Amino acid sequence: QQQVKQSPQSLIVQKGGISIINCAYENTAFDYFPWYQQFPGKGPALLIAIRPDVSEKKEGRFTISFNKSAKQFSLHIMDSQPGDSATYFCAASTGFQKLVFGTGTRLLVSP
Amino acid sequence: EAGVVQSPRYKIIEKKQPVAFWCNPISGHNTLYWYLQNLGQGPELLIRYENEEAVDDSQLPKDRFSAERLKGVDSTLKIQPAELGDSAVYLCASSSAGAEQFFGPGTRLTVL
Repeated sequence: QQQVKQSPQSLIVQKGGISIINCAYENTAFDYFPWYQQFPGKGPALLIAIRPDVSEKKEGRFTISFNKSAKQFSLHIMDSQPGDSATYFCAASTGFQKLVFGTGTRLLVSP
Repeated sequence: EAGVVQSPRYKIIEKKQPVAFWCNPISGHNTLYWYLQNLGQGPELLIRYENEEAVDDSQLPKDRFSAERLKGVDSTLKIQPAELGDSAVYLCASSSAGAEQFFGPGTRLTVL
């Protein structure tokens, strides 16, 4: 029940395209859903996060869509750029503290 | 604002040897976390400190792993003795109360 399932494992998108990464969770006590971006040799960096009281949050080219009834949330990267090539992790927690991470999606944006 | 500092960045040791990792959190952050990240996987929490107190160490393999956070600032994670399966990246993160976590660059451990 603590797992967060993430898909796809890897993704190749052309420059300017939309990248979509999906996550699903079971624990209905989760109330914080962040997405992290990780470049090789670096630690994860918070990209965007959402609480379950809203269905969508947008920050620049990054949007989280949240479906509470389905217990699913997704990250959309609009106008994907080569600099977005990284590994993306979804996570979930009760409060901010005990984050449970997905297995990651390796995104490659081709020029 | 300086980020979370970790050292060393890389460590190669032979199995059965001890190893220690050091973390300096962001100034003013009272919560400190140690995570384990295996290749191709997401980080997994090992231990969480609130100031000097370890409030969640349920995932820490206590037979060989230990951690301390003296004076509620810097922290050290130790493995003794190291095993081949301990090869991974060890991440430190910090946060202020009820806020997002900021991660350090990690220490990549290779056990031969």
